[in-house]
Amino acid sequence: DVKVTQSSRYLVKRTGEKVFLECVQDMDHENMFWYRQDPGLGLRLIYFSYDVKMKEKGDIPEGYSVSREKKERFSLILESASTNQTSMYLCASSLTGLALETQYFGPGTRLLVL
Amino acid sequence: GDSVTQMEGPVTLSEEAFLTINCTYTATGYPSLFWYVQYPGEGLQLLLKATKADDKGSNKGFEATYRKETTSFHLEKGSVQVSDSAVYFCALSDSTGGTSYGKLTFGQGTILTVHP
Repeated sequence: DVKVTQSSRYLVKRTGEKVFLECVQDMDHENMFWYRQDPGLGLRLIYFSYDVKMKEKGDIPEGYSVSREKKERFSLILESASTNQTSMYLCASSLTGLALETQYFGPGTRLLVL
Repeated sequence: GDSVTQMEGPVTLSEEAFLTINCTYTATGYPSLFWYVQYPGEGLQLLLKATKADDKGSNKGFEATYRKETTSFHLEKGSVQVSDSAVYFCALSDSTGGTSYGKLTFGQGTILTVHP
């Protein structure tokens, strides 16, 4: 079975802190994604990566950056956390970038910024 | 751009009732369509998918048919169980016009609660 793990289930941070969220997949998938989930808005794509050291902006990249130094690991960075970044963050991976490909999700990190 | 619209929730049903969750989409080409489910405290997992018009995806008693003429992908189940209580997301991935990298566009999600 594909396994996608995220470094924390819950995080509490203060405004202005730098926050790192890590995601690891164990199935040699090419593509990895970061989404945020907010009630009534569904999931919105923040950034994705289709190869090591490659990244592309999604629909809402402002205030975020990402890093993919190894194929299995994809990190989301909040450079200076703000209260409007309080949300559930979900990481996903897929074997390829084909439109029909299934994405596999981690359990999510619920981030509270005070 | 691409978009997905799901019926407003939450939906509350009694066990063994029939379920329909409506989903319509807007896309520039011929997208692949998905239903993902999120059980309490978990991440999303694929429930079913369809990759071309008139395809029917099915899994765990759930079904959805890719209707190009109505741009719809409604989710149905004939008899729901308490264990089906979850949040259901309709999504699409569109590769028209170049590489999409498999990016998903999601609907807003529908909360389903099934009572015994």
